[in-house]
Amino acid sequence: DAKTTQPPSMDCAEGRAANLPCNHSTISGNEYVYWYRQIHSQGPQYIIHGLKNNETNEMASLIITEDRKSSTLILPHATLRDTAVYYCIVRGISGNTPLVFGKGTRLSVIA
Amino acid sequence: DTGVSQDPRHKITKRGQNVTFRCDPISEHNRLYWYRQTLGQGPEFLTYFQNEAQLEKSRLLSDRFSAERPKGSFSTLEIQRTEQGDSAMYLCASSQARAGDTQYFGPGTRLTVL
Repeated sequence: DAKTTQPPSMDCAEGRAANLPCNHSTISGNEYVYWYRQIHSQGPQYIIHGLKNNETNEMASLIITEDRKSSTLILPHATLRDTAVYYCIVRGISGNTPLVFGKGTRLSVIA
Repeated sequence: DTGVSQDPRHKITKRGQNVTFRCDPISEHNRLYWYRQTLGQGPEFLTYFQNEAQLEKSRLLSDRFSAERPKGSFSTLEIQRTEQGDSAMYLCASSQARAGDTQYFGPGTRLTVL
């Protein structure tokens, strides 16, 4: 079973920041938080991952709370092409384990 | 780096037929994963390889399913005696073995069993 809890859906106005929350209250010290997204009928796309520090790349920022029990993915300027299902996944540092997907958050970016 | 590729992208078959899918990982990636995704659900793990060794299989992988990665490069997933319940998107992902490795997914093969 997935170790994360996400809202089933969210809306965001085009051009505004999209903030997607994720709860992972049982995360252990040797587990990363990964974010993927899946645009309709395509394979999942890697976005970002982090352990305990905040991370930023060209796609998004990942903010992890100090107790590591929750995180937020931020898309700074959402576009219509960001409409997708976003998955928050907790996975061990060793990396030799599969990804366990929940149902994710369906983000709709509205013009 | 051309990304993970999968072939075919779509497959329609009749119940009872055998089907085979192919996955070509990103070059130099030594880990290869297969997942299955049904409508409205997130992807579910089926099996994974490190080089040519199949290291883990999910209980979802019934005895009608077999996967190979004979030379540690491309992989095939075969389903024998297909059933309507096998209709799904079959996804392949690859990664480079290291701590915190990132899996990159292909476009998937959509299977429809009539």
